[in-house]
Amino acid sequence: AQSVTQLGSHVSVSEGALVLLRCNYSSSVPPYLFWYVQYPNQGLQLLLKYTSAATLVKGINDFEAEFKKSETSFHLTKPSAHMSDAAEYFCAVSGTTGFQKLVFGTGTRLLVSP
Amino acid sequence: DVKVTQSSRYLVKRTGEKVFLECVQDMDHENMFWYRQDPGLGLRLIYFSYDVKMKEKGDIPEGYSVSREKKERFSLILESASTNQTSMYLCASTPSGNLNEKLFFGSGTQLSVL
Repeated sequence: AQSVTQLGSHVSVSEGALVLLRCNYSSSVPPYLFWYVQYPNQGLQLLLKYTSAATLVKGINDFEAEFKKSETSFHLTKPSAHMSDAAEYFCAVSGTTGFQKLVFGTGTRLLVSP
Repeated sequence: DVKVTQSSRYLVKRTGEKVFLECVQDMDHENMFWYRQDPGLGLRLIYFSYDVKMKEKGDIPEGYSVSREKKERFSLILESASTNQTSMYLCASTPSGNLNEKLFFGSGTQLSVL
């Protein structure tokens, strides 16, 4: 069974600083991996996904993530944080066969200070 | 754009009440999902459906049931609400069973059981 671990329930950065949100996955075979974002009082939106093509994946709002098989990681980064990036971020994993069932991590809340 | 609509944003119920949470999607999606979201636990799958009148248990189905009489509508039912079912409930849909499809989420129903 697949699972993901998100390190840090809260991450604080200053506006303009690098954003790094960590996600490690557990899977017996290379999975599909996703990052979703949840803004206050909204549902989740897809930021980006890895589906076994390029290992460096670019998403919306200048976010990107790199799939590293050797480290079983899929960390999310953004070069320069904006105030509008303050939200909760979820990493998720799916198997590549059978019916799609996404397994979500516990989430990381990103706080951006001026 | 795809719209997933959850009928109530906030709901307050009494212990023992029967509760219906409604979800409607407007893009003819095959698959629909119910998740609950709790702080520190992320999203956990309750039930999903891949066709009308079809349903499958997710990871935490106890105390819940679902109904999908029409393709666009997926209802979550709490037969006898309990305080430990106080949570944010999120509905989602995808067009098909492709494992790399993104989920489209509703904005959630915050249920409080007193």
